[in-house]
Amino acid sequence: GQNIDQPTEMTATEGAIVQINCTYQTSGFNGLFWYQQHAGEAPTFLSYNVLDGLEEKGRFSSFLSRSKGYSYLLLKELQMKDSASYLCAVRDRDSSYKLIFGSGTRLLVRP
Amino acid sequence: DSGVTQTPKHLITATGQRVTLRCSPRSGDLSVYWYQQSLDQGLQFLIQYYNGEERAKGNILERFSAQQFPDLHSELNLSSLELGDSALYFCASSVASDPKEQFFGPGTRLTVL
Repeated sequence: GQNIDQPTEMTATEGAIVQINCTYQTSGFNGLFWYQQHAGEAPTFLSYNVLDGLEEKGRFSSFLSRSKGYSYLLLKELQMKDSASYLCAVRDRDSSYKLIFGSGTRLLVRP
Repeated sequence: DSGVTQTPKHLITATGQRVTLRCSPRSGDLSVYWYQQSLDQGLQFLIQYYNGEERAKGNILERFSAQQFPDLHSELNLSSLELGDSALYFCASSVASDPKEQFFGPGTRLTVL
């Protein structure tokens, strides 16, 4: 089975840096995704990690450690529009077409 | 705008009824995925079709069924509806069967009264 854990809520200040953690316990692993979702809207793809290390994409970076079952999403120079839920999802190796999502972390950016 | 369209945007119905949700993938995408997002359960994968064939199945109830038509649009049928089926239903599409880069539609909000 799969278990994916993320903090429920986080608060940060505009202009700051925030790190959102995700830990997973899975029977197989074939990649980890991060999505952003504003309230009532569709999730949008942020990043994909399949190998250990840091992937940087503008203000957003994502890190993966497969041996620790751990990932984080790093958001720099926070803007008010970054207030959203951030979903961590693992691709199941048994069926690599399936994504298993965590419950998401609701991030509130304050002025 | 992801290019994935879903209809209707909102649907209100009663327990015991049956509804059909429709999804049109982005032009050129062969895979369609269905997800359910309720307040207490997060985003749950239901089912995936690739070029008309079922490719993967998640936690889809027996009361729910889906299909993908030759023109690649997909429908999700929900029957014998219960209060707990109230949720946002998202469709996503990708070019290949790999969900590495899937694009989500705006969702259908289903309310069962």
